[in-house]
Amino acid sequence: GAGVSQSPSNKVTEKGKDVELRCDPISGHTALYWYRQSLGQGLEFLIYFQGNSAPDKSGLPSDRFSAERTGGSVSTLTIQRTQQEDSAVYLCASSRQGGPQETQYFGPGTRLLVL
Amino acid sequence: GNSVTQMEGPVTLSEEAFLTINCTYTATGYPSLFWYVQYPGEGLQLLLKATKADDKGSNKGFEATYRKETTSFHLEKGSVQVSDSAVYFCALSDLGSGTYKYIFGTGTRLKVLA
Repeated sequence: GAGVSQSPSNKVTEKGKDVELRCDPISGHTALYWYRQSLGQGLEFLIYFQGNSAPDKSGLPSDRFSAERTGGSVSTLTIQRTQQEDSAVYLCASSRQGGPQETQYFGPGTRLLVL
Repeated sequence: GNSVTQMEGPVTLSEEAFLTINCTYTATGYPSLFWYVQYPGEGLQLLLKATKADDKGSNKGFEATYRKETTSFHLEKGSVQVSDSAVYFCALSDLGSGTYKYIFGTGTRLKVLA
């Protein structure tokens, strides 16, 4: 079956513009995670979805960041008024139910560059 | 809070050399532990995992043992190949969060020379 897919693979935008990043998890996986990979911060958690609900948004760095998930499947991460420090690779992962021993399966990421 | 500490890279080895990448953790309870690998230009792939103390995860010649007494999960391979060149990440599932999000180490870049 298909793995986790993300689009676009690369995005270049100007400071102040809004961007939307998309994640298609593995079919049937109820848990979905967003992470960010940047040179200065390593890999850091952003937000967690269980179904369409987001019980943990603790990693979102500011109120410019938001995310939603619809139909228990596709998720969109939106960054408003982008800043240069938002430049990073945004990774999406899914797991079957979000349990403590489960493997998370990662997508290829979206590389965001804010000019 | 929970954390993962990995040895600094880069690590440069000759082909067929023995590899150890150290990983230690601080955590509440006994989290599951993971090693992920990121090959050049690719996404994160699970390499191996262990879900309880004394478990040994293994895959593709790599091994790591969950040691609760030393809070460690060191990655080893007896004979590395050029194709093992990649960045390796140690991670744990955060039991305290209730969401079991991963906490990652900073990653260790491995370069294997022919």
